[in-house]
Amino acid sequence: DIQMTQSPSTLSASVGDRVTITCRASQSINGWLAWYQQKPGKAPNLLIYKASSLESGVPSRFSGSGSGTEFTLTISSLQPDDFATYYCQQYNSHSYTFGQGTKLETK
Amino acid sequence: EVQLVESGGGLVQPGMSLRLSCTASGFTFDDYAMYWVRQAPGKGLEWVSGINWNSRTIDYADSVRGRFTISRDNAKNSLYLQMNSLRPEDTALYYCTRDFYNSGSPNYYFDFWGQGTLVTVSS
Repeated sequence: DIQMTQSPSTLSASVGDRVTITCRASQSINGWLAWYQQKPGKAPNLLIYKASSLESGVPSRFSGSGSGTEFTLTISSLQPDDFATYYCQQYNSHSYTFGQGTKLETK
Repeated sequence: EVQLVESGGGLVQPGMSLRLSCTASGFTFDDYAMYWVRQAPGKGLEWVSGINWNSRTIDYADSVRGRFTISRDNAKNSLYLQMNSLRPEDTALYYCTRDFYNSGSPNYYFDFWGQGTLVTVSS
């Protein structure tokens, strides 16, 4: 199975900051990567699919990039609503694994 | 409005069984593959199982294969997960999720999620 590793596990930032979260796959996933945002007590919410495609209704300050085994999620200017946990997920092959999550917290 | 509502969770002893249900509304259910994804308390997300629109393509995580069975009833707009031989490590919030595309075939990423139903396996 493909392993997904996110870094950092925790990220402290302030409103207005530009933040980047990295996700590395143990082998190539051909760009089949999604990013989700999860707030406490809520279900995850799809942000990005196919590595860089923005899901409908998601603010344009979110962007995704990458290829092969390395991918990034960038928030261009952090807003108060963005403090949450972020997960990457590969859907290239079984078992469609998620990263361990990155908690974005207020500095 | 798309809605996915899970039910059937609860506290069970190791080795026992439980059946989860998910009732869908707000979209044409049989246009979509559907899935179960779980999250242990305070932990990350784990894909559990998926089923295509006509139940001919079914897949399971290795951790549940042989113990869990996914099924659907398109006439009732419902998805199910029969969980047998439950283990303490199956303790989690179980989410019902919808495939991104309305092709009926599984793509294994998820655009809508229910609020989850909690399964606790403990003696």
